[in-house]
Amino acid sequence: NAGVTQTPKFRILKIGQSMTLQCTQDMNHNYMYWYRQDPGMGLKLIYYSVGAGITDKGEVPNGYNVSRSTTEDFPLRLELAAPSQTSVYFCATLSTEAFFGQGTRLTVV
Amino acid sequence: AQSVTQLDSHVSVSEGTPVLLRCNYSSSYSPSLFWYVQHPNKGLQLLLKYTSAATLVKGINGFEAEFKKSETSFHLTKPSAHMSDAAEYFCVVSPERSQGNLIFGKGTKLSVKP
Repeated sequence: NAGVTQTPKFRILKIGQSMTLQCTQDMNHNYMYWYRQDPGMGLKLIYYSVGAGITDKGEVPNGYNVSRSTTEDFPLRLELAAPSQTSVYFCATLSTEAFFGQGTRLTVV
Repeated sequence: AQSVTQLDSHVSVSEGTPVLLRCNYSSSYSPSLFWYVQHPNKGLQLLLKYTSAATLVKGINGFEAEFKKSETSFHLTKPSAHMSDAAEYFCVVSPERSQGNLIFGKGTKLSVKP
């Protein structure tokens, strides 16, 4: 049982480049989330989804997009990377508790 | 509005002494409350959760937390710290389970001295 799998683990992007952070889960959970973690700031919600075909903005959605075509997958898209998007990104699912992926450490230079 | 406040950004204890990590919350509804631990360069692991059953909740690795509605607190404790407890700890509230949102505190970094 893999749980929540995020790829890649690390990435360096140049300003203006785009990329997709992948997140997949095998627990059949409806709720999925993308958070970013910055030092001393806890985790801030970027986008979330309550089921396939449904997504909504969280606290800090600007510069990001998501899609949820299947229950399993919830990719996060950065279209024009900016240095402010340097962060650690976590994907999570929720049932009676939250399950987190191992994170993606992104640096934009 | 719902919020979580972790009262200490950094706590330092000696090995074998008690640990207290403080958390206060505000929520319009009966919340679910969680403590997660994050070791360096790792993901987040659930320590324990409160979901309106017993107010004293026992978790993994000897940690426990007490839900006090009158004080809107959910402090995390452990009788005797171990070196392996050094990590960052997050208090998390889920104010409305139907929406499924999770609100994180800013974290408390626990250091354990030998």
